[in-house]
Amino acid sequence: AQKVTQAQTEISVVEKEDVTLDCVYETRDTTYYLFWYKQPPSGELVFLIRRNSFDEQNEISGRYSWNFQKSTSSFNFTITASQVVDSAVYFCALSARADSNYQLIWGAGTKLIIKP
Amino acid sequence: GAGVSQTPSNKVTEKGKYVELRCDPISGHTALYWYRQSLGQGPEFLIYFQGTGAADDSGLPNDRFFAVRPEGSVSTLKIQRTERGDSAVYLCASSLAGITDTQYFGPGTRLTVL
Repeated sequence: AQKVTQAQTEISVVEKEDVTLDCVYETRDTTYYLFWYKQPPSGELVFLIRRNSFDEQNEISGRYSWNFQKSTSSFNFTITASQVVDSAVYFCALSARADSNYQLIWGAGTKLIIKP
Repeated sequence: GAGVSQTPSNKVTEKGKYVELRCDPISGHTALYWYRQSLGQGPEFLIYFQGTGAADDSGLPNDRFFAVRPEGSVSTLKIQRTERGDSAVYLCASSLAGITDTQYFGPGTRLTVL
């Protein structure tokens, strides 16, 4: 069965620290897609990144970076020099055909608190 | 361009009443999704439309829930005989073509059933 595990329920750091949010996934498909979304206190889910299973290149976007490692089935997200505005719940999600016909399988989310 | 919009932003109703929630997807997006989210949890899939037809309605919890998208754009989620357990935030998303594309979410409708 497909599954997404975000083991960190809540992380609290002081502003300007770097922080990594972990995401581990399970699927028997060879073709799949991974996503990260941010949900700030306002409630709207904001898309951050989409990665397909054939593209293992790491990605950097400003202070955000993503490390995709198929060998460990992980797709971790790092925020460098965190800011208070980064405080939110972050969700990792998987889209694959087996068992769910590409419906998004969501992790439980990691609540990130950035203290000033 | 405009993102996904949802109306109303908040809806309070009494147990047993009927409610309609509306979603206006991003212009040109053929796929539309409904989810609901309870406090502290991830989104729970309800239904997915490709054009006017429901491609997957396996997430609808029971026959009190129904959704339509008659012209392939705006969608309405309809809940009959509401129950207190239906209280949640109902999220709508759209994607350009199909289910493997990125889904962009609206701000949600917070439904409270008293």
